[in-house]
Amino acid sequence: GNSVTQMEGPVTLSEEAFLTINCTYTATGYPSLFWYVQYPGEGLQLLLKATKADDKGSNKGFEATYRKETTSFHLEKGSVQVSDSAVYFCALSDIGAGNNRKLIWGLGTSLAVNP
Amino acid sequence: EAQVTQNPRYLITVTGKKLTVTCSQNMNHEYMSWYRQDPGLGLRQIYYSMNVEVTDKGDVPEGYKVSRKEKRNFPLILESPSPNQTSLYFCASRPGLYTDTQYFGPGTRLTVL
Repeated sequence: GNSVTQMEGPVTLSEEAFLTINCTYTATGYPSLFWYVQYPGEGLQLLLKATKADDKGSNKGFEATYRKETTSFHLEKGSVQVSDSAVYFCALSDIGAGNNRKLIWGLGTSLAVNP
Repeated sequence: EAQVTQNPRYLITVTGKKLTVTCSQNMNHEYMSWYRQDPGLGLRQIYYSMNVEVTDKGDVPEGYKVSRKEKRNFPLILESPSPNQTSLYFCASRPGLYTDTQYFGPGTRLTVL
């Protein structure tokens, strides 16, 4: 079945460092791909998404490109801030039983940014 | 403000004592769902609802019930909670079945002793 694998954390960086969080997927067809972010004590919120191959999603300085040839959707940011400290989830859309269009989630990667 | 609200945010209870976690959204979304989040297991869908009076099991429905009598509300019911239901629970909604972007509530931290 479809699945998402993302790099294990925690990831600890200094402010202004470059961030990459790897995400690879296994899927039939052409799913949409997502990055969600969970700040401490809050629910998940959509960070960015891409719906087809070679699409680049971007938001708040974060970017990710849908790479079908490598089945990847790595999250990057050129200069992280302390406020980026959160847990980041990679996900893909899937069609389950009963036509339930749901998300398949990675396990999350915790990011801590130090001043 | 468009949002998904959950109550309570934190709950400690004992085995067997029935409880309900409420979820409400003000975006007129058709699709709502419940997830639990556990370390090393990520997010798993418990139940979902495609519209009023239409609910179905997700990946881990055992020990839970839901109802959808109104479009905005989607309560999660634990008739007889057990310690293995200690978890962080999220309610989510989205406009319809064929839309992908979900909107999450702030979460309910449940501990069953």
